[in-house]
Amino acid sequence: AQTVTQSQPEMSVQEAETVTLSCTYDTSESDYYLFWYKQPPSRQMILVIRQEAYKQQNATENRFSVNFQKAAKSFSLKISDSQLGDAAMYFCAYRSANSGNTPLVFGKGTRLSVIA
Amino acid sequence: DTGVSQNPRHKITKRGQNVTFRCDPISEHNRLYWYRQTLGQGPEFLTYFQNEAQLEKSRLLSDRFSAERPKGSFSTLEIQRTEQGDSAMYLCASSRLAGARNEQFFGPGTRLTVL
Repeated sequence: AQTVTQSQPEMSVQEAETVTLSCTYDTSESDYYLFWYKQPPSRQMILVIRQEAYKQQNATENRFSVNFQKAAKSFSLKISDSQLGDAAMYFCAYRSANSGNTPLVFGKGTRLSVIA
Repeated sequence: DTGVSQNPRHKITKRGQNVTFRCDPISEHNRLYWYRQTLGQGPEFLTYFQNEAQLEKSRLLSDRFSAERPKGSFSTLEIQRTEQGDSAMYLCASSRLAGARNEQFFGPGTRLTVL
């Protein structure tokens, strides 16, 4: 079974600074997808960024980028120019590439605080 | 596209009672997923549907839990004889059938408190 580990329960960052959230995963599959989801307080979860395992190039979405190290099974999220609205729980998630859009396996999450 | 909706948003019940939650997915989304999120944890998969067919159930889904998706549209999740350990946020998500970039869209969740 696949597992996802987020070793940082809480992180904080100064507004406008950069922060990196860590994620490692374990799988025996060679083809899969990785995601970072954001869950603001009392609001629904939204997708921040996705990475296909077969792509060597790291995904970027505006201020959000990932460092995908397939051999090390590591998938970290970098948030640049942090904003107050970035404060939320961040979940790393894994999905198998088999059988269509299969259920996600989530880590326990990292709570990010942004200090003004 | 009105997003995934869930009702009720909050439910307080006494131990031993039955509860039912509803999820309305984004229209034309073939797949619908139920997850459970307890305090301090990430969401955990419970079950999912492709149209009206229930494709997989997690070992977390005990016999007291049942889910349906009649006609492949909305879905219900029923918990019978609730226990305090069932207290959690129940999340619903939907997606298109296939395609690597077809993300899962989440609803706001139903928070269940069992007294």
